[in-house]
Amino acid sequence: GAVVSQHPSWVICKSGTSVKIECRSLDFQATTMFWYRQFPKQSLMLMATSNEGSKATYEQGVEKDKFLINHASLTLSTLTVTSAHPEDSSFYICSARDPSGRVVEETQYFGPGTRLLVL
Amino acid sequence: AQSVAQPEDQVNVAEGNPLTVKCTYSVSGNPYLFWYVQYPNRGLQFLLKYITGDNLVKGSYGFEAEFNKSQTSFHLKKPSALVSDSALYFCAVRARNSGGYQKVTFGTGTKLQVIP
Repeated sequence: GAVVSQHPSWVICKSGTSVKIECRSLDFQATTMFWYRQFPKQSLMLMATSNEGSKATYEQGVEKDKFLINHASLTLSTLTVTSAHPEDSSFYICSARDPSGRVVEETQYFGPGTRLLVL
Repeated sequence: AQSVAQPEDQVNVAEGNPLTVKCTYSVSGNPYLFWYVQYPNRGLQFLLKYITGDNLVKGSYGFEAEFNKSQTSFHLKKPSALVSDSALYFCAVRARNSGGYQKVTFGTGTKLQVIP
């Protein structure tokens, strides 16, 4: 099946610094990737949709200047949390569409997640 | 707007017994429905999906789900639970939104605890 990786798996940083999280599709090309945020014991909240070669589409309420997304290639999307603060501490998960060839049957495959702790 | 409801925060079942994790949805048009499982500190793993066709969908690890259009439900089932099935289960629905993107909406998750 389709494999998605994330790096790093966890990161601790000081308040005010920036953190970059990478999401890679290992055995397929993903024109679209998604970034989610998950709080403890809560569901996934879609932050943005990342499209290769174009600007990301952010969900309402998500600050695009704070959560910078770059999708420079068909296998890599990055999320940079700029000027991180303790309230940004969370579990960040990316996903990529399975390129099955039929949009209606596409399945999202998820990375293992990155736990961010801002001190 | 589309939504997913998982009415149970936690389901407890004895090992070897059948299990059911409930899910109901609301979406305009035909629903595309998914079940995912999440183990602690891990991302979501795809279990199964319903797009069209047979209402009973079979997926990974012996799980299956039944699509019921009249009840707008997509309950996850397994005939015999294993301790290793203990995890967090998410139901999800997808429909094309106004922007043309295939946005997926997730339920709040149900924690399944299989008791040895």
